[in-house]
Amino acid sequence: GQNIDQPTEMTATEGAIVQINCTYQTSGFNGLFWYQQHAGEAPTFLSYNVLDGLEEKGRFSSFLSRSKGYSYLLLKELQMKDSASYLCAVRDTLDSSYKLIFGSGTRLLVRP
Amino acid sequence: DVKVTQSSRYLVKRTGEKVFLECVQDMDHENMFWYRQDPGLGLRLIYFSYDVKMKEKGDIPEGYSVSREKKERFSLILESASTNQTSMYLCASRTSWTPLSVYTQYFGPGTRLTVL
Repeated sequence: GQNIDQPTEMTATEGAIVQINCTYQTSGFNGLFWYQQHAGEAPTFLSYNVLDGLEEKGRFSSFLSRSKGYSYLLLKELQMKDSASYLCAVRDTLDSSYKLIFGSGTRLLVRP
Repeated sequence: DVKVTQSSRYLVKRTGEKVFLECVQDMDHENMFWYRQDPGLGLRLIYFSYDVKMKEKGDIPEGYSVSREKKERFSLILESASTNQTSMYLCASRTSWTPLSVYTQYFGPGTRLTVL
């Protein structure tokens, strides 16, 4: 079956580094997305990985290992505004629809 | 700047009512989606549309229908609302896949629907 797992909640301190893990088991794979969602707002795109390795974008980096079915989102120099939910999503190629399969999201709380 | 709008941020309806949720995008995207988001369950796909007048069922289509008469507008219809349809409903759109495209979905702000 299709399954994406990520921790439900994490807490970190302002200025620190936090790593949010995501493991997936899907019938097909054609890319992994990370979205950020502040409370009451729409998810916004953060990153995309389709090849193994690390993609860096400012304070945020995302890593993918396809053989392990594993990704992480790394947030550096945490700011209070980074308090949000982070959604991991996999693009499935089982059929032609290229649907995204979402995890339940990780709620990150950044404390002063 | 990309924009996906939804007709209401908050909606309260009674059991058995017919409910229409509207979504409009101004990016000329071919593909549009309706999700519901519930605590602990993540985003679940209800229906999606490849293009005008085309629709496909997602993972949880029961109790819902959709309409795509114009490219920019995708409507979600609850034929007879029930309390278990109380949820946050998110619309999204994207351009059709091209080989080098990141293929990002752009989301609307969501409609929080309460069915009493």
